[in-house]
Amino acid sequence: DAGVTQSPTHLIKTRGQQVTLRCSPKSGHDTVSWYQQALGQGPQFIFQYYEEEERQRGNFPDRFSGHQFPNYSSELNVNALLLGDSALYLCASSLGVSGRASSYNEQFFGPGTRLTVL
Amino acid sequence: ILNVEQSPQSLHVQEGDSTNFTCSFPSSNFYALHWYRWETAKSPEALFVMTLNGDEKKKGRISATLNTKEGYSYLYIKGSQPEDSATYLCALTYSGNTGKLIFGQGTTLQVKP
Repeated sequence: DAGVTQSPTHLIKTRGQQVTLRCSPKSGHDTVSWYQQALGQGPQFIFQYYEEEERQRGNFPDRFSGHQFPNYSSELNVNALLLGDSALYLCASSLGVSGRASSYNEQFFGPGTRLTVL
Repeated sequence: ILNVEQSPQSLHVQEGDSTNFTCSFPSSNFYALHWYRWETAKSPEALFVMTLNGDEKKKGRISATLNTKEGYSYLYIKGSQPEDSATYLCALTYSGNTGKLIFGQGTTLQVKP
């Protein structure tokens, strides 16, 4: 049973560029959440997708957008990259969504994509 | 703004030592507390999900307790081994927003052989 996978593992971009990160959820999971972990901090919630819609959003600007596909995989897009966007981006999958979660929304994480903005 | 705090930030112990760390959180509207273990270059691995005040969970040499009234959880490691070296994260979910994990900054444990 494949766990959560993310691609690419590392990415280097320059300021102003756009980036797309990809995530495949654990088999059987239908909900994908994205987190940003900056150096020295805990992961920060960006948003969550369920049924191909953004269901919850953290305190991130509109430059951060996402998409979920019918097979439950997801993409995170960041436009107009800033130096401060350099971070590890984690994807997590779970079963169900707020209000319908099982196992108290236990989320399973991928290994992350390390984004460096120069 | 909900603030989850973990202490200490880092810890160095000798193999065989027992150790513990703390996660403090706002207790209002508490839904669940999650402990994760995160080794370098790997995915964070779920250790425990705790929901009830007074909950105690155990997995091998690792155990955790939960006090939802005063807003804290302890993670204990008995007889630390080098393979326990990792960052331990706690994350909270709250009623009305249970899809969102709110993380502390983590405690990084280094166990020296």
